[in-house]
Amino acid sequence: KQEVTQIPAALSVPEGENLVLNCSFTDSAIYNLQWFRQDPGKGLTSLLLIQSSQREQTSGRLNASLDKSSGRSTLYIAASQPGDSATYLCAVMWAGNQFYFGTGTSLTVIP
Amino acid sequence: EAQVTQNPRYLITVTGKKLTVTCSQNMNHEYMSWYRQDPGLGLRQIYYSMNVEVTDKGDVPEGYKVSRKEKRNFPLILESPSPNQTSLYFCASSFLSSGANVLTFGAGSRLTVL
Repeated sequence: KQEVTQIPAALSVPEGENLVLNCSFTDSAIYNLQWFRQDPGKGLTSLLLIQSSQREQTSGRLNASLDKSSGRSTLYIAASQPGDSATYLCAVMWAGNQFYFGTGTSLTVIP
Repeated sequence: EAQVTQNPRYLITVTGKKLTVTCSQNMNHEYMSWYRQDPGLGLRQIYYSMNVEVTDKGDVPEGYKVSRKEKRNFPLILESPSPNQTSLYFCASSFLSSGANVLTFGAGSRLTVL
């Protein structure tokens, strides 16, 4: 059964710190992996999409990596800011066009 | 503006009263899907559609129906809502082609069934 796990469930860091969020998944035969941000009471916003043939993607202060062999992806946030406070979710697509989501990591950046 | 629009955003109803949550996208996406989000369980897929007149069950389809008669619309129907369907619902859409299947989400519909 395909499962996506995100640990820790919550994380607090002081402003300016670099941080890493983790996502692990069963079954390495993925099509792609996406990272999303969710603000309280709002929908999800796509941050980065990594295709199965790629190792990483970058957007501004965000860098997402993918290691299919170990079933892991990481989202690196550089120089964190209070505005980065949100819940971050990863979603994996396997064959069948279904997306499977982790339960997310709630990030708080303390000014 | 490219977007996915859901309505209603908030709804309180009673057990057994049929309701429909509408979803519309203006990006000409082939793929549309519905999710529910519950504390501790994350987002779970209810139904998805890869094109007009093509729909498939996700992981939690029981108690829900969908239709895809037009490319832009994908309504979620609860024929006889029950309290365990109280949840936050999201509609999302994307292109199907590899590299372009970034999911775009609606703002969510919070449903309470009494």
